[in-house]
Amino acid sequence: AQKVTQAQTEISVVEKEDVTLDCVYETRDTTYYLFWYKQPPSGELVFLIRRNSFDEQNEISGRYSWNFQKSTSSFNFTITASQVVDSAVYFCALSDLDYLYNQGGKLIFGQGTELSVKP
Amino acid sequence: EAQVTQNPRYLITVTGKKLTVTCSQNMNHEYMSWYRQDPGLGLRQIYYSMNVEVTDKGDVPEGYKVSRKEKRNFPLILESPSPNQTSLYFCASSSGGQGFGRADEKLFFGSGTQLSVL
Repeated sequence: AQKVTQAQTEISVVEKEDVTLDCVYETRDTTYYLFWYKQPPSGELVFLIRRNSFDEQNEISGRYSWNFQKSTSSFNFTITASQVVDSAVYFCALSDLDYLYNQGGKLIFGQGTELSVKP
Repeated sequence: EAQVTQNPRYLITVTGKKLTVTCSQNMNHEYMSWYRQDPGLGLRQIYYSMNVEVTDKGDVPEGYKVSRKEKRNFPLILESPSPNQTSLYFCASSSGGQGFGRADEKLFFGSGTQLSVL
């Protein structure tokens, strides 16, 4: 069955530290999609990235970077030089072709990692 | 501006009093769904709809109803709310099966509805 595991429930760092949020997924499909969302204290879900299974290129966006490794079924998220505004709950999520075409574009979410960045 | 609009943002009610959380999207999306978020469990799909008059159960449908009479609206109905339905609820929409094939496609989420059932 499809599953997403974010083993780190809470992480606390001091501003300017680098931090990596782990995400491990399980799926039987060879075509799937991985996502990261940020949930700040205000509660809304902010889309960060979507990665397709056939694109293993790592991505960097400013201080954010993502490391996708199919060999270990991981899609980790690194924040470089963290800032207080990065404090939020971060969710990793997975969708595959069955969820996409038959279940309304369903996402399977991990449990979330609460990141606290202290000044 | 493309958006999914949920109302209300906060709702406190009592056990057994029927309530409806509204959801509307302005992107002409075919797919809409509802999720609930609980601590330690992430978000779980409650119901989804793949087009007008087409709805189906997600992973945690018990105690909920939905309807899709128009493409833009997908209300979530709790006929007899119970305290275990206290949660943060999100409505979402996407353009359907072709959607995730486009590089910029994603699931659009509403701002959330925090429901407390006393």
